[in-house]
Amino acid sequence: GDSVTQMEGPVTLSEEAFLTINCTYTATGYPSLFWYVQYPGEGLQLLLKATKADDKGSNKGFEATYRKETTSFHLEKGSVQVSDSAVYFCALYSNNAGNMLTFGGGTRLMVKP
Amino acid sequence: SQTIHQWPATLVQPVGSPLSLECTVEGTSNPNLYWYRQAAGRGLQLLFYSVGIGQISSEVPQNLSASRPQDRQFILSSKKLLLSDSGFYLCAWSVTGPRGELFFGEGSRLTVL
Repeated sequence: GDSVTQMEGPVTLSEEAFLTINCTYTATGYPSLFWYVQYPGEGLQLLLKATKADDKGSNKGFEATYRKETTSFHLEKGSVQVSDSAVYFCALYSNNAGNMLTFGGGTRLMVKP
Repeated sequence: SQTIHQWPATLVQPVGSPLSLECTVEGTSNPNLYWYRQAAGRGLQLLFYSVGIGQISSEVPQNLSASRPQDRQFILSSKKLLLSDSGFYLCAWSVTGPRGELFFGEGSRLTVL
């Protein structure tokens, strides 16, 4: 079945550092890929998405490129802020999984001033 | 615009007591509805999903149940809570059809003592 694997956290960075959170997936067909963010004590919010190979999703300075050849969708940001501290979830959607998303385990990011 | 409301936000219950968490969606019709659980330090576990009134699918065998008495209302229940039921419960909705994007509520934190 479909699956998503994320790097384990926590990831601790200093403010203005470069961020990469790795995400790889296994799916049949051509899934859509998502990054969700969960700020402390809140629900999840969609951060960005890509629906086909080579698409780049971007939002709030975050970017991720849908790489079919490496089945990856790594999240990057050039300069993190303290306010980016949150848990980040990679997810995929494919027609094979009905109307459900398959989530990765989440990666906690802590940014220190 | 669409909104999703979830309550109560915080709940502390003794072992063996009943549970009722409620979720309502506004601004859309015939949404897909979902209940997820997030245990401390872990990822998201899909508990139930519903594609219509009275239609509930369970992903994990457990002492929880879900009901959808109205199109935009989704209720998570238990007759007798266990310690292992503690966690952060998230309701979410999506449009019908293969889109994949989920919209989450703010979550309900349940502590079973």
